[in-house]
Amino acid sequence: QSVLTQPPSVSGAPGQRVTISCTGSSSNIGAGYAVHWYQQLPGTAPKLLISDNNNWPSGVPDRFSAFKSGTSASLAITGLQAEDEAEYYCQSYDTGLTGSQWVFGGGTRVTVL
Amino acid sequence: QVQLVESGGGVVQPGGSLRLSCAASGFTFSGHGMHWVRQAPGKGLEWVAVIWFDGSKKFYADSVKGRFTVSRDNPKKTLFLQMNSLRPEDTALYHCAKFTGTDEFGYFDLWGRGTLVTVSS
Repeated sequence: QSVLTQPPSVSGAPGQRVTISCTGSSSNIGAGYAVHWYQQLPGTAPKLLISDNNNWPSGVPDRFSAFKSGTSASLAITGLQAEDEAEYYCQSYDTGLTGSQWVFGGGTRVTVL
Repeated sequence: QVQLVESGGGVVQPGGSLRLSCAASGFTFSGHGMHWVRQAPGKGLEWVAVIWFDGSKKFYADSVKGRFTVSRDNPKKTLFLQMNSLRPEDTALYHCAKFTGTDEFGYFDLWGRGTLVTVSS
């Protein structure tokens, strides 16, 4: 079970807006640590999609935006496109009882209808 | 070309060992912490280990502590993961990843495609 909780799947029609939630706790997101988002297309390596404070790596469209509040974060995709079909992961840092570690969400599959 | 290329995966029996390698190119390898992240078949990402840019510090996930050892050779721009006492639950695609920034606010900005480790009798 992942430290960060994401919905297994979300879907939307082309052009629609979808959001992916990422729920953590006081030892990670709630502690003020950064939340970053990664996109993994089928059969490929994960790719940094958007880093904390909405910093987009070169080549990533600004249709993707990230939000954070309290112990949760979310990724929004506006103007959904067929090429956005992928698995999306949130990631943060955790300083829980068992020590410090980097943590991921379980991943959310985005399907374009 | 900026890339990470893993190798060394394969099929091993429970209790066996494997040594993974990750060859880096196109960036200042010695200037970055490096991580191993694994992905079990059909599952999500799980952080495994980190080694500081100069090799001075290493940390591991509880699930591999005492069995896995991370190391690096900066002149050869190569990252390693020695895996001992392997268990079936270690079966996964193992990615190496370049880390940029501080522990609390940094991110993985370059990933390799991974090397598959299968632990089975």
